[in-house]
Amino acid sequence: QVQLVQSGAEVKKPGASVKVSCKASGYSFTAYFLHWVRQAPGQGLEWMGWINLNTGGTSYAPKFQGRVSMTRYTSFTTAYMELTRLTSDDTATYYCARVMTAPQSADSWGQGTLVTVSS
Amino acid sequence: DIQMTQSPSSLSESAGGRVTITCRASQSIGSYLHWFQQKPGKAPKLLIYAASNLQSGVPSRFSGSGSGTDFTLSIGSLQPEDFATYYCQQTYSSPFTFGQGTNLEIK
Repeated sequence: QVQLVQSGAEVKKPGASVKVSCKASGYSFTAYFLHWVRQAPGQGLEWMGWINLNTGGTSYAPKFQGRVSMTRYTSFTTAYMELTRLTSDDTATYYCARVMTAPQSADSWGQGTLVTVSS
Repeated sequence: DIQMTQSPSSLSESAGGRVTITCRASQSIGSYLHWFQQKPGKAPKLLIYAASNLQSGVPSRFSGSGSGTDFTLSIGSLQPEDFATYYCQQTYSSPFTFGQGTNLEIK
């Protein structure tokens, strides 16, 4: 069955960076895109961007442009999301989600990774 | 950016009842609209994709309709497990924005 397993919770200081991994199994890794979505405590869902797992091409939400980097390592069927220059506003649960090329609906999600930014 | 506005923000209904949640886009998005259910501490779950297509494994009491700017999610004969938060998302134009969510509570 399709599984996306994310790395564990992180605690970071303001100004630091965090890199979250998303290990995929149970399907053809490069046949899909991967979206990253975050959710601050008690808040709604916020889309961050996508990565084409075949080509490595990316598209980021303008809010995160310049601070986010999405990559993948196809041999290990793992994708990564790195966010730099962290502030307390980046405290959130970060999700990866598998997406078909069209209509880009996220049909399988990772369990989420809580990133806490605190001094 | 395309703004997605859900209404209501919250509602309460009894088990066995029926509810409808609406999602309005700030511009036409065709049928690039998806609905998700989220329970506390869990990842979102895809219910409806492309406005009206039921995701595999999702009960038929869930249905979606609409196109362009106005969309609805309907849940018939509410079950205890349906009480959750629901989100719409557009994937017509990047950034792929979500609605603010609708919290469905038991009356």
